Amino acid sequence: GQQVMQIPQYQHVQEGEDFTTYCNSSTTLSNIQWYKQRPGGHPVFLIQLVKSGEVKKQKRLTFQFGEAKKNSSLHITATQTTDVGTYFCAGRDNYGQNFVFGPGTRLSVLP
Amino acid sequence: DAGITQSPRYKITETGRQVTLMCHQTWSHSYMFWYRQDLGHGLRLIYYSAAADITDKGEVSDGYVVSRSKTENFPLTLESATRSQTSVYFCASNRGADTGELFFGEGSRLTVL
Repeated sequence: GQQVMQIPQYQHVQEGEDFTTYCNSSTTLSNIQWYKQRPGGHPVFLIQLVKSGEVKKQKRLTFQFGEAKKNSSLHITATQTTDVGTYFCAGRDNYGQNFVFGPGTRLSVLP
Repeated sequence: DAGITQSPRYKITETGRQVTLMCHQTWSHSYMFWYRQDLGHGLRLIYYSAAADITDKGEVSDGYVVSRSKTENFPLTLESATRSQTSVYFCASNRGADTGELFFGEGSRLTVL
């Protein structure tokens, strides 16, 4: 079945440094979503990407969907302590009805 | 805006006991989902429902039962709890399985002793 992987599993950065997490799917995706989960909280939707090569920005966050629609990335510029949490990608392929979540990347930001 | 609520938030039970986790949403979303979250595994789908009286298995459905007699409620039952079912359980909803974001509840942390 469809598998979604994310790297790295953990990332520690100094406040102000950039951060990137990568998401890779074993199958071609129809669309991909990104979620953020604060420590002790629940996942909160960030964005959905649908088109091949799509790039979307939300303030300091940049999301990309690969040309082959099998990978995606989330880049945070100049991290802040409020960025702390776990970032999940969730992909849906052309055959599945539901989104399959990656294991997440846990981001720590040192002040 | 009550959104989506789960109860109980915390539960400790013993092996072999039956446990039911409740989920209620006020948006009249068609789709509802149950996920479990374990370290290193992300969120894994247990069951989902496309509408009242329609449910389907996810990737980790063994040992779980669901029902959906009303659109707004989607309870998850562990018929005979096992230690491997110790986890954080999240209920979620959205308007359609292939459209838009998932809205998650606050989670229910279950410990099986």
